[in-house]
Amino acid sequence: DAGVTQSPTHLIKTRGQQVTLRCSPKSGHDTVSWYQQALGQGPQFIFQYYEEEERQRGNFPDRFSGHQFPNYSSELNVNALLLGDSALYLCASSPFTGRGVAFFGQGTRLTVV
Amino acid sequence: KNEVEQSPQNLTAQEGEFITINCSYSVGISALHWLQQHPGGGIVSLFMLSSGKKKHGRLIATINIQEKHSSLHITASHPRDSAVYICAPRNTDKLIFGTGTRLQVFP
Repeated sequence: DAGVTQSPTHLIKTRGQQVTLRCSPKSGHDTVSWYQQALGQGPQFIFQYYEEEERQRGNFPDRFSGHQFPNYSSELNVNALLLGDSALYLCASSPFTGRGVAFFGQGTRLTVV
Repeated sequence: KNEVEQSPQNLTAQEGEFITINCSYSVGISALHWLQQHPGGGIVSLFMLSSGKKKHGRLIATINIQEKHSSLHITASHPRDSAVYICAPRNTDKLIFGTGTRLQVFP
């Protein structure tokens, strides 16, 4: 079992560009949550997907959007990148609509220049 | 005030010492995760608990739902335990993270 895999591991983008981050959940997990972790801070909840729909959302602007595919994998899209979007983006998967133990990927380190 | 407070923020210890990290939260929760994050970012879930106490190897986690408090204990600490430990209560199926406790264990 490969666990939760995220791609890419590192990414550098220019202000104003758009980025797509990808997450494959652990086998058997149906729920994917995305978190943003700024340097020196704890992760902040962005949104959660279950059954290909966004179930709940944290305090992030509409520039942050996502998608979940029938195989439970997920994408996080960020439009019109700002310098402040530079962070580690973590994907967590869990079974049973988010109520089981969460497993985390290694994260994608996004740098906006 | 943050919804999740951890203490201490930084902790140094000598190998073999007993470590305690505390977490207090102000929101209603259905469960609480203790997570370990190593440099580079990867997060490992150590425990998920909703009551009482759990033990895994040298790690022990306790929670008191009425007092909204949880503790993580590490017995016989080792340099490989050096990491950031994060308390993350689960509220409406999402995790709310503390800022973490940075632990360094020296040989």
